[in-house]
Amino acid sequence: AQTVTQSQPEMSVQEAETVTLSCTYDTSESDYYLFWYKQPPSRQMILVIRQEAYKQQNATENRFSVNFQKAAKSFSLKISDSQLGDAAMYFCAYNGGSNYKLTFGKGTLLTVNP
Amino acid sequence: DAMVIQNPRYQVTQFGKPVTLSCSQTLNHNVMYWYQQKSSQAPKLLFHYYDKDFNNEADTPDNFQSRRPNTSFCFLDIRSPGLGDAAMYLCATRSQGANSGEPQHFGDGTRLSIL
Repeated sequence: AQTVTQSQPEMSVQEAETVTLSCTYDTSESDYYLFWYKQPPSRQMILVIRQEAYKQQNATENRFSVNFQKAAKSFSLKISDSQLGDAAMYFCAYNGGSNYKLTFGKGTLLTVNP
Repeated sequence: DAMVIQNPRYQVTQFGKPVTLSCSQTLNHNVMYWYQQKSSQAPKLLFHYYDKDFNNEADTPDNFQSRRPNTSFCFLDIRSPGLGDAAMYLCATRSQGANSGEPQHFGDGTRLSIL
C-alpha cells in the first residue's frame, strides 16, 4: 500500500521569506502523480501544484515550486516570498496511476508571521 | 464558475436522528467522492462513485450511505449519527480515467455537529 509522510506537523515563516515543506512517499508503482493541496482555516481545499512522476522537471506555479526526487521518493514544496494568505494546512497527496483515490499525508500547518 | 457546491455549510442534528448532506457539481465530472475530516487531520475517504458504480471503503461504517441520482448530485446519508460522527464532510469530484492524474476538486465542506 502507498503511504505519504509529512514529518513536520507545524512550520512557521516570516512574511516575504522562503519556506520548504517536506513530504516523502512509498510506492512500488512507476506511474503516479503527486499533489500539494492547501486548506485555509474553515475554507475550501484547493490544489497548489501537481507533479507527474514521469517528468524529471520540477513543477512550478508562480511562488510555489517543488523539489521532486523520484529515487529518494521525496516531494517537497517551496513557497517563496511568503504572504499572509499562505497560512493554511498543506497536504501532500499521492495518486497511483491505476486508481481514482488520493493518499494524503497528515498535513503541515503553516503559520506566516507579519 | 464551474464548481462543487455543498449544502448546507453547517448542519446540526440530534444523536440518532438521520441526516442527509448534499453535493452538486457543475464540472460534469464522472467521479465523485465523500470524505470525513476531523480537526487537524487529513481527509478520510468514505466512498466514491465512478459514474453510477459505487465503491465503499472497507472501513466505512454501515451507518454511512450514499446516493448518486445523476451526474450532478451526490448525497451522504448518516442513518443514526453518533457523537463520533461530528466532523467536516468534504465532497470532491474528478474527471476522466484513472490514469490521467487529474486533480480532485473540493467543495467548501459541511460541518456536522451532533447534539
